[in-house]
Amino acid sequence: EQQVQQSPASLVLQEGENAELQCSFSIFTNQVQWFYQRPGGRLVSLLYNPSGTKQSGRLTSTTVIKERRSSLHISSSQITDSGTYLCAITNTGKLTFGDGTVLTVKP
Amino acid sequence: EAAVTQSPRNKVTVTGGNVTLSCRQTNSHNYMYWYRQDTGHGLRLIHYSYGAGNLQIGDVPDGYKATRTTQEDFFLLLELASPSQTSLYFCASSEKNSGNTLYFGEGSRLIVV
Repeated sequence: EQQVQQSPASLVLQEGENAELQCSFSIFTNQVQWFYQRPGGRLVSLLYNPSGTKQSGRLTSTTVIKERRSSLHISSSQITDSGTYLCAITNTGKLTFGDGTVLTVKP
Repeated sequence: EAAVTQSPRNKVTVTGGNVTLSCRQTNSHNYMYWYRQDTGHGLRLIHYSYGAGNLQIGDVPDGYKATRTTQEDFFLLLELASPSQTSLYFCASSEKNSGNTLYFGEGSRLIVV
């Protein structure tokens, strides 16, 4: 069973539009992180959000522990936002990743 | 920002070959991890360590050995490489095991022919 599921699998936007990425997990956890990855590139941590709402620039994450879900909102998307967004949870001391959402932002 | 350096960045080997992937972090983080990334499977944890000489088994350890020789260095060993181990390998480090940001290396692409 996949512990972390992300949706949509892919998303195409016009520059300036907002994006909403979803992450659901099969266990209760208060350790949720979001990462960004360029194709074939390094993963970069975006937000650590154990619960509630956290914002960093144009990124806003909302985690609802009792519903076992987290979301990442990207406002006013830019072409450079294109890439894969991964959600990860900590379970039994190990970080488990979802398969990611591939975001493409077009001019 | 924490620096995690992997080598080699690209490697091609034959089936049955011996491969060592190296990872070095320069921020004295306690935890280091090896992941593999494959289309359709996302990132999967192979091995991790919480200090020099320590080794913990991840979720997909079969066919891999690892060794943490120092606080800075974590190696992944494939002693009899198989085509199923063709993948993109990432090393990461963190200060603690949970609740802390992971810092990733650039990745090592391995092809086993």
